[in-house]
Amino acid sequence: GAVVSQHPSWVICKSGTSVKIECRSLDFQATTMFWYRQFPKQSLMLMATSNEGSKATYEQGVEKDKFLINHASLTLSTLTVTSAHPEDSSFYICSARDAGGLAGREQYFGPGTRLTVT
Amino acid sequence: GDSVTQMEGPVTLSEEAFLTINCTYTATGYPSLFWYVQYPGEGLQLLLKATKADDKGSNKGFEATYRKETTSFHLEKGSVQVSDSAVYFCALSPPGTASKLTFGTGTRLQVTL
Repeated sequence: GAVVSQHPSWVICKSGTSVKIECRSLDFQATTMFWYRQFPKQSLMLMATSNEGSKATYEQGVEKDKFLINHASLTLSTLTVTSAHPEDSSFYICSARDAGGLAGREQYFGPGTRLTVT
Repeated sequence: GDSVTQMEGPVTLSEEAFLTINCTYTATGYPSLFWYVQYPGEGLQLLLKATKADDKGSNKGFEATYRKETTSFHLEKGSVQVSDSAVYFCALSPPGTASKLTFGTGTRLQVTL
């Protein structure tokens, strides 16, 4: 089946620093990748949608200058949390949609990255 | 806007018990409905889906029926196993696309011997 990996699986960083999270589709090409954020005991909230080779589309309320998304290839998207603060601590999950077939194809999810900002 | 409400967990059942996890939604038109499962340490996996009213999605013994009249998509399994222990998420997306998934809060299921 389609596999999506994330790296790192968990990271601790100091307040004011930046951290990059990678999302890779391992056995398929993904024209579209999605980034979600999940707070404890809450649902996944879509942050942004990225299409390969173009700018990401951010959901309302998500700061595009704080959460930089790059989707430079059909198998890799990155999320950089810039100038991180403790309130950015969360579980970040990516998903990828297969480039083949119609637009209604399934999203495949990564295992998530837990970010803790101290 | 669209929203999904599912029962709070955790749900604890003995092996071979009957499972129901309730899910209701608010959306315009006829969204597609999904159940995802997340096993410990893994990403969300699509468990089943339904794209129109009265459709029944099924997989691995799990079933859910798209009920437009009650805006519900309850997940059921007749006999759970310890290996079914996981977090289950109900979700919806606008018609005809798997984009813009809106998730419920997830329900943790713990099955004991």
